Amino acid sequence: AAGVIQSPRHLIKEKRETATLKCYPIPRHDTVYWYQQGPGQDPQFLISFYEKMQSDKGSIPDRFSAQQFSDYHSELNMSSLELGDSALYFCASSQDYPVYEQYFGPGTRLTVT
Amino acid sequence: AQTVTQSQPEMSVQEAETVTLSCTYDTSESDYYLFWYKQPPSRQMILVIRQEAYKQQNATENRFSVNFQKAAKSFSLKISDSQLGDAAMYFCAFGGSQGNLIFGKGTKLSVKP
Repeated sequence: AAGVIQSPRHLIKEKRETATLKCYPIPRHDTVYWYQQGPGQDPQFLISFYEKMQSDKGSIPDRFSAQQFSDYHSELNMSSLELGDSALYFCASSQDYPVYEQYFGPGTRLTVT
Repeated sequence: AQTVTQSQPEMSVQEAETVTLSCTYDTSESDYYLFWYKQPPSRQMILVIRQEAYKQQNATENRFSVNFQKAAKSFSLKISDSQLGDAAMYFCAFGGSQGNLIFGKGTKLSVKP
């Protein structure tokens, strides 16, 4: 079965640089969620999209923005990167809103040096 | 605001034995979902089991089952016939009207051969 695809899988950036993370949901899934998981922590919700519209916002810094495109893939844009942004970033997709089973991608490991 | 509490940071079980992981939550919502996710060392988030709050019957998926006590706001996971591959971090998660998941801090499960 098709799964959520995230790219890149690993990313190394320097402080103050920008990064773009991409997420391709499972086919026919119309809702995308972004989560951030720091070392030894639980995943924290950042932002979600339903049918290409932002549906909810969590603890996402103003330096971050995201959008969902017409083909339902989503991109998380991160600017002015800080050391504290180093984390595993998950994208999850679901077939319904507000809540149904969320299937997670493998994550993008971002390291800021 | 909803909260999820996992009071057992670490648990250990002998191979082929049964182990129960605890989870409590707090919410004022009446309609919601509860999930258990498994995160092995690869850090992939894998959905283990789902429970709808309106269903009285406890969910079961092969060797995994839950004990859902709505009045007590308790949602424990029982793993029967534990296998070495069950060793992982287990997260309890709440999904309510806003759609995003709220995770507990996790329980690290070790399986002894």
